[in-house]
Amino acid sequence: DGGITQSPKYLFRKEGQNVTLSCEQNLNHDAMYWYRQDPGQGLRLIYYSQIVNDFQKGDIAEGYSVSREKKESFPLTVTSAQKNPTAFYLCASTQGSRGNTIYFGEGSWLTVV
Amino acid sequence: QKEVEQDPGPLSVPEGAIVSLNCTYSNSAFQYFMWYRQYSRKGPELLMYTYSSGNKEDGRFTAQVDKSSKYISLFIRDSQPSDSATYLCAMSIDYGGSQGNLIFGKGTKLSVKP
Repeated sequence: DGGITQSPKYLFRKEGQNVTLSCEQNLNHDAMYWYRQDPGQGLRLIYYSQIVNDFQKGDIAEGYSVSREKKESFPLTVTSAQKNPTAFYLCASTQGSRGNTIYFGEGSWLTVV
Repeated sequence: QKEVEQDPGPLSVPEGAIVSLNCTYSNSAFQYFMWYRQYSRKGPELLMYTYSSGNKEDGRFTAQVDKSSKYISLFIRDSQPSDSATYLCAMSIDYGGSQGNLIFGKGTKLSVKP
């Protein structure tokens, strides 16, 4: 079935460590996104990419990095510079043409221990 | 003033009730309006997608957009316990938010009691 796969579902990170969250889609979508969701804060955009080898910062990009080497993959690295990384991370994608909208993966929970 | 305002609830209703969920917004350039349903610890799933003003119906769900009042609504008829979730409104200027400018409300938590 087509969809967006995020892994791992749950991840624990020690302070000072970098961690990478995986996002793969087989929908042949051009654009991919990373959002962060905190309780009571809604979804906030971290990074997005409209095409391979190109990506743009969102509203809260500090402390995060991404790459887009393949159309189907958009991994997110949470670096040690991110001061409050404990959150629910959502990857999403869209074809971007009229009538389409954003579809989400199941999310990854990151906890700093 | 925040771009999108949504009452966080929680909203509790008995099974079979009609539920009304609402969002207001300040940016008159928004043209595309979406409602997502998010179960606990899951990713949001798209429920309704509308362009500009008007109504759209899908089964028990009806989405309304009033651009003159900058107000959107989602109605759920004959609500079921399985409808218990957080409902997020979202909106964008361009189609599908592909320019990265999809703006979300904070979500309303709904509980439907049997």
